Amino acid sequence: RKEVEQDPGPFNVPEGATVAFNCTYSNSASQSFFWYRQDCRKEPKLLMSVYSSGNEDGRFTAQLNRASQYISLLIRDSKLSDSATYLCVVGGAAGNKLTFGGGTRVLVKP
Amino acid sequence: GEEVAQTPKHLVRGEGQKAKLYCAPIKGHSYVFWYQQVLKNEFKFLISFQNENVFDETGMPKERFSAKCLPNSPCSLEIQATKLEDSAVYFCASSQPGTASVNTGELFFGEGSRLTVL
Repeated sequence: RKEVEQDPGPFNVPEGATVAFNCTYSNSASQSFFWYRQDCRKEPKLLMSVYSSGNEDGRFTAQLNRASQYISLLIRDSKLSDSATYLCVVGGAAGNKLTFGGGTRVLVKP
Repeated sequence: GEEVAQTPKHLVRGEGQKAKLYCAPIKGHSYVFWYQQVLKNEFKFLISFQNENVFDETGMPKERFSAKCLPNSPCSLEIQATKLEDSAVYFCASSQPGTASVNTGELFFGEGSRLTVL
């Protein structure tokens, strides 16, 4: 079983619609959680950190469920520019490696 | 610098040849990580450094892969006797140390070095 699992997609989303997807992680000792975005095999870039209480950044909302060991990302009012691969990333304490999920591909279409 | 700088961007090697990749982390960042990304977006952790010391090398295929982060030099990842399956994009990332109470854990990635083994 992979440490971090994601639905690879693609999620085909009409422009303006809402899309949501999850990832699950296996290490219950994980302490840090992130969503990264990767465009066309370029370098991953941090989209947002995920906090226990859930957090929102503009059109993006992230949730963490420690009991069930899953993280979710919701994108509202999808834009064409949201088309990318979204990587669920889980880590331990400071300096520890971050473990990446396989990514969920999102395609926003007009 | 203010960005993680990786060189070369592209490298082509024949099977059995040596490949060496370089990474200059963001100035002031203590941690350096190497990841290998093969097809289907699978990121594989290779090794991390805290300054010039190996912090975690659990992902390194030790028989052919080696890495260093020496003072006042770019970090390097070297593959001896490359194999076809080493073809991948190798990403270097750096991060700041966390404070006592907060660890953002954010990794700042370089643009990657694409290694093609023929």
